Amino acid sequence: DAKTTQPNSMESNEEEPVHLPCNHSTISGTDYIHWYRQLPSQGPEYVIHGLTSNVNNRMASLAIAEDRKSSTLILHRTTLRDAAVYYCILNFGNEKLTFGTGTRLTIIP
Amino acid sequence: EADIYQTPRYLVIGTGKKITLECSQTMGHDKMYWYQQDPGMELHLIHYSYGVNSTEKGDLSSESTVSRIRTEHFPLTLESARPSHTSQYLCASSELGTNTGELFFGEGSRLTVL
Repeated sequence: DAKTTQPNSMESNEEEPVHLPCNHSTISGTDYIHWYRQLPSQGPEYVIHGLTSNVNNRMASLAIAEDRKSSTLILHRTTLRDAAVYYCILNFGNEKLTFGTGTRLTIIP
Repeated sequence: EADIYQTPRYLVIGTGKKITLECSQTMGHDKMYWYQQDPGMELHLIHYSYGVNSTEKGDLSSESTVSRIRTEHFPLTLESARPSHTSQYLCASSELGTNTGELFFGEGSRLTVL
């Protein structure tokens, strides 16, 4: 499976945007890029996914580099509730999502 | 809102006991998964199922077993619990292949074996 690399931790001021990076230099052409987040004491929840084009939904935006070797999850206006571990995951159809260590996002009031 | 439920949420049990962690989903999803997660650590896939009567081992070896007799249920069983089994167990389901479909997770079952 292609692996992803994320910073262990990041901080963001409340009500400011935050950009969470993910490197996936060994991504294959059929790999989708998924983002999940895990709030404290909860199971992970889906955030967004994409293949080649940038994607937007009510939670976040996903910016995918033209060569697809990296992507960025953008939270446009963070709240305290966005404090969580964010996982960037690649999947190419074996239907088993492999979670890494993710990025622990801390929101500063 | 995800309709996937796990019981019990918390369980403290003595060594050697048999335990079953229940997972139910009302979304009609064919695919279901069990992940294991120690505090502050990664999630590891231990079992998955593509539908009724289908069960597969995940990436992390586990002494637990699973069954899939009904679409909506995917229970996990430990025949003889040991302290090394202390962990959080997370159940998930998906409708389509996870390439395009999202995984819905339950809130988890936190198991402590004394």
